[in-house]
Amino acid sequence: DSGVTQTPKHLITATGQRVTLRCSPRSGDLSVYWYQQSLDQGLQFLIQYYNGEERAKGNILERFSAQQFPDLHSELNLSSLELGDSALYFCASSVTGVGGNTIYFGEGSWLTVV
Amino acid sequence: GENVEQHPSTLSVQEGDSAVIKCTYSDSASNYFPWYKQELGKRPQLIIDIRSNVGEKKDQRIAVTLNKTAKHFSLHITETQPEDSAVYFCAARVAFGNEKLTFGTGTRLTIIP
Repeated sequence: DSGVTQTPKHLITATGQRVTLRCSPRSGDLSVYWYQQSLDQGLQFLIQYYNGEERAKGNILERFSAQQFPDLHSELNLSSLELGDSALYFCASSVTGVGGNTIYFGEGSWLTVV
Repeated sequence: GENVEQHPSTLSVQEGDSAVIKCTYSDSASNYFPWYKQELGKRPQLIIDIRSNVGEKKDQRIAVTLNKTAKHFSLHITETQPEDSAVYFCAARVAFGNEKLTFGTGTRLTIIP
């Protein structure tokens, strides 16, 4: 158990819908990262938050947005869902944003768009 | 931004033999290089990491080497066992500014009993 908690574990929804994925980082971790992994694909960085503020952005679609709340949990919002958004979405956390700190991954949220 | 290339994409080795996975990175400012192991449908788990002030690091059957001049680093697994079968990802991270991990495309390692 990495200490990073993600909900829901599985989600099936229809095209055009909107979903929210939730992440609680490890206790004491200030940075939260979101990654997308499509079937048999690598880990694509979406976005990073540090202590409530956006720190780095990857290839995140405009239909996707995220935020980190004062209690440090984070949410990833996916809207106008398309079939191609079906993927495993990982949240990860680290102590700070400084390079060298270990990043721990949650178990992921499986999203299936039908 | 940082770009990490990983080879090979698939690797099959006999149980007991060694496996080597290689990665190259593009940003000379990168100074942290972790390796993650991911079993099917599971989360990536850190197995070893190395920082740019070190050339080699070992942990039992696993070792990582780093060549900063050539901007490449490698994972070595010795005396492979069936439970080593998984997808392995290398990653690189810049110390300051853009602190995200950039991952390689992964290597599917299969250990043949």
